[in-house]
Amino acid sequence: QPVLTQPPSASASLGASVTLTCTLSSGYSNYKVDWYQQRPGKGPRFVMRVGTGGIVGSKGDGIPDRFSVLGSGLNRYLTIKNIQEEDESDYHCGADHGSGSNFVVVFGGGTKLTVL
Amino acid sequence: EVQLVESGGGLVKPGGSLRLSCAASGFTFSSYSMNWVRQAPGKGLEWVSSISSSSSYIYYADSVKGRFTISRDNAKNSLYLQMNSLRAEDTAVYYCARGDWPADYWGQGTLVTVSS
Repeated sequence: QPVLTQPPSASASLGASVTLTCTLSSGYSNYKVDWYQQRPGKGPRFVMRVGTGGIVGSKGDGIPDRFSVLGSGLNRYLTIKNIQEEDESDYHCGADHGSGSNFVVVFGGGTKLTVL
Repeated sequence: EVQLVESGGGLVKPGGSLRLSCAASGFTFSSYSMNWVRQAPGKGLEWVSSISSSSSYIYYADSVKGRFTISRDNAKNSLYLQMNSLRAEDTAVYYCARGDWPADYWGQGTLVTVSS
């Protein structure tokens, strides 16, 4: 099954842009990854799914146009432009793998985004 | 509006049992797969279990297999997680989430604390 790796922290100034990275383990370059936003004390919120061709399907409800994704090789990126205070959150990436008795869902460790 | 409301968490001794519930509203519950995902204090997300819309397919993480049982009652728009033989490492906020991955809606979670 894939392993997803995320840097533990990132920061960006108000109004700036930031790109968060989720890296798949070797051999899983064709996998799609899901991004979730989790504000402090809240449940996760689906942002969007990304493959090597970019976004897969639709964004989650209420996700602004400032959020976009890109996929390249083993990396899946979430870019946030014109960062707002409400974007300060933990961002998790996840991927489902296998079928039947081998089905699993794996998550990265999450990246805590601080808005300066 | 899609709503998922978890309940049933609390303090339980090691080896004890607990049953979590998730009340769903705002969508046709019987048409969607459902999931439980947990988050230990200060940690990332961990997938626990998934169940298909008609309960035909059920999957568990290795960490809970044989101890936890997922079920649903489509007539009551409810999802359940029966947790037996609880361990300290099961301490977490438990979220229910809708969808066949990605999970597009999540609840606010219910805290389970396993401690003597």
